[in-house]
Amino acid sequence: KAGVTQTPRYLIKTRGQQVTLSCSPISGHRSVSWYQQTPGQGLQFLFEYFSETQRNKGNFPGRFSGRQFSNSRSEMNVSTLELGDSALYLCASSVSGTGLAEQFFGPGTRLTVL
Amino acid sequence: TQLLEQSPQFLSIQEGENLTVYCNSSSVFSSLQWYRQEPGEGPVLLVTVVTGGEVKKLKRLTFQFGDARKDSSLHITAAQPGDTGLYLCAGTNAGKSTFGDGTTLTVKP
Repeated sequence: KAGVTQTPRYLIKTRGQQVTLSCSPISGHRSVSWYQQTPGQGLQFLFEYFSETQRNKGNFPGRFSGRQFSNSRSEMNVSTLELGDSALYLCASSVSGTGLAEQFFGPGTRLTVL
Repeated sequence: TQLLEQSPQFLSIQEGENLTVYCNSSSVFSSLQWYRQEPGEGPVLLVTVVTGGEVKKLKRLTFQFGDARKDSSLHITAAQPGDTGLYLCAGTNAGKSTFGDGTTLTVKP
C-alpha cells in the first residue's frame, strides 16, 4: 500500500506571495491533518479534515487554509507569505482520526520564504 | 491547552549504551504515540499505547504508558547508530494530537 505523498517536496517563495501544498493520503484513509514543523516551535497542529469538512483547527491565522476533496486528497494554502512561515509542512493521514488516531506522515514540503 | 514535555532535549551516547526518554504532561490522554523522525523526512509511527500501565516492546525498544495516562517513557537497550533521530511523543484526545518538542538522539559508533 502506497504511503502518504506530498508535493512539492521543496518550494521557495518570496514574502507576500501565496502557496498551495498538496497531500495524497493512504488509500482508505479519510482523515488528513496538517502540521507545521520549525526548530523553535516543534510540530504545531494546523487543521484536520475528514470527509471534506474541517473537523479540528489549531491556533494559526486565517492566512492558513485548507480543503479536502471527495477522494480524500487535501490541499493547504498559505496567503501573504511571511518570513516566519518558512518551515517543514507535514501532512498525516489516518483511517478515521478518532480512537487510536494513529497517524501516518508524508515526507513533508520544505517551504522557504525569502 | 494540553502540553507535552519531553526530556532530555538532546542525548548523545555511544553504541551499546542504554537510554530512556521521557514524555510528561499534566493532562490525561486517551492514547499516546511515539514517532521517530529522520532529517528531511516525516515522523514514522513506532507504537501506540492506550491502557494505563501498558508496556509494549518493539525489538530493543520498550514503551511504557503511565498508570494515570499522563506520561510515557521510551527505553532503548544497546543503542545502535541506526537509532539516531528525533523521537517525538504525541498525546491524543478526541482525534486531536499534541506533540512534544522531541528528543534528538545521536548514537556514535
